[in-house]
This record gives sequence, structure tokens and C-alpha cells, in this order.
Amino acid sequence: DAKTTQPNSMESNEEEPVHLPCNHSTISGTDYIHWYRQLPSQGPEYVIHGLTSNVNNRMASLAIAEDRKSSTLILHRATLRDAAVYYCILSPLMDSSYKLIFGSGTRLLVRP
Amino acid sequence: ETGVTQTPRHLVMGMTNKKSLKCEQHLGHNAMYWYKQSAKKPLELMFVYSLEERVENNSVPSRFSPECPNSSHLFLHLHTLQPEDSALYLCASSQVNVMMGLHEKLFFGSGTQLSVL
Repeated sequence: DAKTTQPNSMESNEEEPVHLPCNHSTISGTDYIHWYRQLPSQGPEYVIHGLTSNVNNRMASLAIAEDRKSSTLILHRATLRDAAVYYCILSPLMDSSYKLIFGSGTRLLVRP
Repeated sequence: ETGVTQTPRHLVMGMTNKKSLKCEQHLGHNAMYWYKQSAKKPLELMFVYSLEERVENNSVPSRFSPECPNSSHLFLHLHTLQPEDSALYLCASSQVNVMMGLHEKLFFGSGTQLSVL
């Protein structure tokens, strides 16, 4: 399975943008880039995913490098509720035994 | 509320007990998953069921026995567990286009916090 590398932790101030980086230098052409986050005492929740083009949704934006070897999750205005562990995961487009393999993620701390 | 409900939320059991974890999804999905999250470790995929058939068993010890009686329900039967099995057990579901092999996003429950004494 292709691996991802994320910083262990990051800090942000409330209402400021946050850029969470992810390196995936061994990504294959058919791998999607997924982001999930896990709030305290909860299961992970889906944030966003993409293949080649940048993606936006109500929660966040995903910026994908042109060579696809890295990506950045962008939270446009961090709130205290965004404090969580953020996971960047690669998964093949076609996979009969669907496996999302979670790494250690980035723990985001949001200061009031 | 994610549409995936796990019970119980907390469970304490002795090493000789037999217990079961239950997961129910109200999303009409056709695939269900068990993950294990130990303290300070990444989530580990345990089992995957697609269309009620087990398609993945990630080298899980036989003291963990999954059951998927229909597409909405998933159980994890536990027997003779060890203290190191204490962890948060998470259930998830997703919709799979089996013909295309395309998978949509996972929806997770809140988990069962298991303590083995």
C-alpha cells in the first residue's frame, strides 16, 4: 500500500486558515487521496477526497500538487470544533477488497 | 449522528467471558467494516464485508469472530480475550459499486470502548 507522511501535530489560532500537508511520493496513478478526521471520543469522519484536480466542499479544500506527490488540506477558518486528528489516506480507484489504511495522522490544536 | 450505531458504548469483560459487539447502519449501504484503535496507535482494519460476504480478514486472531447476517447489521463476537485486546472498536459502512469496484466514503460509528481485565 502506498504510504503517506504527515506532521505529528500542528497548531492554529481560531478563525485563521490552516494548511495541513501530506506527502505521498509513491502514489500510483490510480490512487485517490482521502482525508478523514477524528474528533475526540468519536469515530473518524470523511472530510474530502480527490484524484488530480483541486476539490472544494463545505468542510474544506484539497489542493493536489501537479505531480501528485503531495497534497494539502485547507481549513479556511479554523474553529475550536476543528480540533481533531486529521488523516491523509491513499486508496486505489478500483479495489475489490476496499481497504482504507489509516496512519498516525496530524493532531490539530486550535487556540481560542 | 452518522447513521451508524454501535452498542454498547462501553464494555468491561474478563478474559474468560464471551461478549458481542453490535453495529447497525441505517444508510442502505452494502459494505461494513470493523476497525480496532488501540491507545496511541493508528486504526487497524480487522474485517471487511461486502454484500454480506467477508472479503478481508486482516490476520485477526480467532478469538475475534465477525458475523454479518444482513447488509444492515454487523457483529463482533469476542471470547477468551487478552488484556492487550483492550481498545476502541469501530464499525463503519460504505456503498460499493461491486461491478465497477468503486467505493464511496466510509461512515463510522462512535465505537465501543472495550476493557479486558
